[in-house]
Amino acid sequence: DAMVIQNPRYQVTQFGKPVTLSCSQTLNHNVMYWYQQKSSQAPKLLFHYYDKDFNNEADTPDNFQSRRPNTSFCFLDIRSPGLGDAAMYLCATSRVQGYQPQHFGDGTRLSIL
Amino acid sequence: AQKVTQAQTEISVVEKEDVTLDCVYETRDTTYYLFWYKQPPSGELVFLIRRNSFDEQNEISGRYSWNFQKSTSSFNFTITASQVVDSAVYFCALSEKDQFYFGTGTSLTVIP
Repeated sequence: DAMVIQNPRYQVTQFGKPVTLSCSQTLNHNVMYWYQQKSSQAPKLLFHYYDKDFNNEADTPDNFQSRRPNTSFCFLDIRSPGLGDAAMYLCATSRVQGYQPQHFGDGTRLSIL
Repeated sequence: AQKVTQAQTEISVVEKEDVTLDCVYETRDTTYYLFWYKQPPSGELVFLIRRNSFDEQNEISGRYSWNFQKSTSSFNFTITASQVVDSAVYFCALSEKDQFYFGTGTSLTVIP
């Protein structure tokens, strides 16, 4: 089945230790998104790629970076995780940007020790 | 200003009861889309429905139905004969051009 796959499902890292979350898709969608979702809150968009074009949200901290080496894969790098970065990270894709439903992966729950 | 308002933070119903989740949106665009997503405890966001601003017909899918009223800027979601598996957080969302806005979600608990 075509889908959005996020690895790992759970990630534990130490305060200040870089961590990378991965997302892959078999939908061949042009747009890939990264969201941060904290407990009892709506998902918050961090950034997205439209093909190779990277679009950062204005309030996304510099600590968060992303890479999209090809259509299928997208990575979220957190350079120096702080306690406030503990959250669920959701990857989503859409065929094009705007008006299209976004298809989400299962998420990676990040814990910071 | 909040683009999508889900005033009900938490709802509890007893199994087999009907429940309606409210969603009110704000936009000046004439073309926009509305969505509902379900987020079960496992965490993934599951797409349920998309409706464009030109189609006000209500939609029914099994036990789910959606009532779109432009006059009140509302896109409400009703679950008929609720089941325990319906327990989840439900998000309403609005898409304007290339922007996507989530509401704050309604947590639904169905009690057996």
